[in-house]
Amino acid sequence: DAKTTQPTSMDCAEGRAANLPCNHSTISGNEYVYWYRQIHSQGPQYIIHGLKNNETNEMASLIITEDRKSSTLILPHATLRDTAVYYCIVRGGDNTDKLIFGTGTRLQVFP
Amino acid sequence: EADIYQTPRYLVIGTGKKITLECSQTMGHDKMYWYQQDPGMELHLIHYSYGVNSTEKGDLSSESTVSRIRTEHFPLTLESARPSHTSQYLCASSELSLTDTQYFGPGTRLTVL
Repeated sequence: DAKTTQPTSMDCAEGRAANLPCNHSTISGNEYVYWYRQIHSQGPQYIIHGLKNNETNEMASLIITEDRKSSTLILPHATLRDTAVYYCIVRGGDNTDKLIFGTGTRLQVFP
Repeated sequence: EADIYQTPRYLVIGTGKKITLECSQTMGHDKMYWYQQDPGMELHLIHYSYGVNSTEKGDLSSESTVSRIRTEHFPLTLESARPSHTSQYLCASSELSLTDTQYFGPGTRLTVL
């Protein structure tokens, strides 16, 4: 699976959009980009995933660059409850078995 | 929201005891997983299963064992707990599909004295 690079930490004001970047320059054609988050030692929570098109759901939007070497997770209106560690994961579409979480980005939403 | 449950949520136990951590899911998912995570550290896959009677070892060497007798149930057993087993154990499940999104339980925080 391709490695990902994320900033260690970010801050965001409550009510503003949080834009979390991820670099995955060695991604291959059949690998998906997944985002999970983990709130204070709870089990990770699935947020969104995509292959090459931008995706949106009730939680977030995922913007993938045309060359697929980077992506951005957007939380449109961050709340205090969005404070968490956010993991960007690249994983093969051939039903490989593991999610490699890495160290993620610690997002702190402040009032 | 995923329906995956783990019990107990917290366990403090003495060295040498046998313990079983329970994981159940009501989504009919074929694949199930166990991860281990130390505080502030990455998740590491220790076991997974493709379905009933299937078990595989993950990336991290673990002295635990698992079984998969029923689709919904994937217990993890430590025959003789040691302080080095102190950690958080996270169970997950997913469908057998191309994208294979995993849904996680709340975790069991184990402390071995």
